[in-house]
Amino acid sequence: EIVLTQSPGTLSLSPGERAALSCRASQRIASSYLAWYQQKPGQAPRLLIVGASNRARGIPDRFSGSGSGTDFTLTISRLEPEDFAVYYCHKYGNSRVTFGQGTKVEIK
Amino acid sequence: AQLVQSGTEVKKPGASVKVSCKASGYSFSNYGITWVRQAPGQGLEWMGWISDYKGNTYYGQKVQDRVTLTIDTSTTTAYMELRSLRSDDTAVYYCARDGLVVPAALDNWGQGTLVTVSS
Repeated sequence: EIVLTQSPGTLSLSPGERAALSCRASQRIASSYLAWYQQKPGQAPRLLIVGASNRARGIPDRFSGSGSGTDFTLTISRLEPEDFAVYYCHKYGNSRVTFGQGTKVEIK
Repeated sequence: AQLVQSGTEVKKPGASVKVSCKASGYSFSNYGITWVRQAPGQGLEWMGWISDYKGNTYYGQKVQDRVTLTIDTSTTTAYMELRSLRSDDTAVYYCARDGLVVPAALDNWGQGTLVTVSS
């Protein structure tokens, strides 16, 4: 089973700064079947990125995804106040689905 | 697209719980449903995926012996039943719209159902 390891566990940044979140897979992920989600307290997760680099409908262009194989990155170009949340990566595409443990982006 | 889940449940250890997820606003038979749970203060755990396409169902390793996913296309409702409940099953349970043929990215989520297991 593929394990997704996200780093760092917590990222302390100020509004306007750039955030780079890492998701590393224990084995190659075929066809970039990798998604990213944002979750705020008390809310369901929200899909941000699908297929490693494609923004979901309605997602602002300050969010971008990159990577392939085993190394993936979610980048938030300039943090807005509403972007402080927990972010999860998600491997899909076959019967072995898994999530990373999450990265919390907090206000510095 | 909207997914509306059933309400909060409180169960005793050893009991079973069945959570429903009513879909509307899209063609239910063209998508699957995934169930994800989140223990208090913890991350997301995939429980399983079900699709009407060839009757396929996949389950997560941690719960596969105790969970059953079903769908009722006549009422566009999905169900997740978890048996032999333990205290560490206390969590918010989410359903999400998923792929039809294989699990995909989850673009619509239910509001979550809190299940508390306590004696």
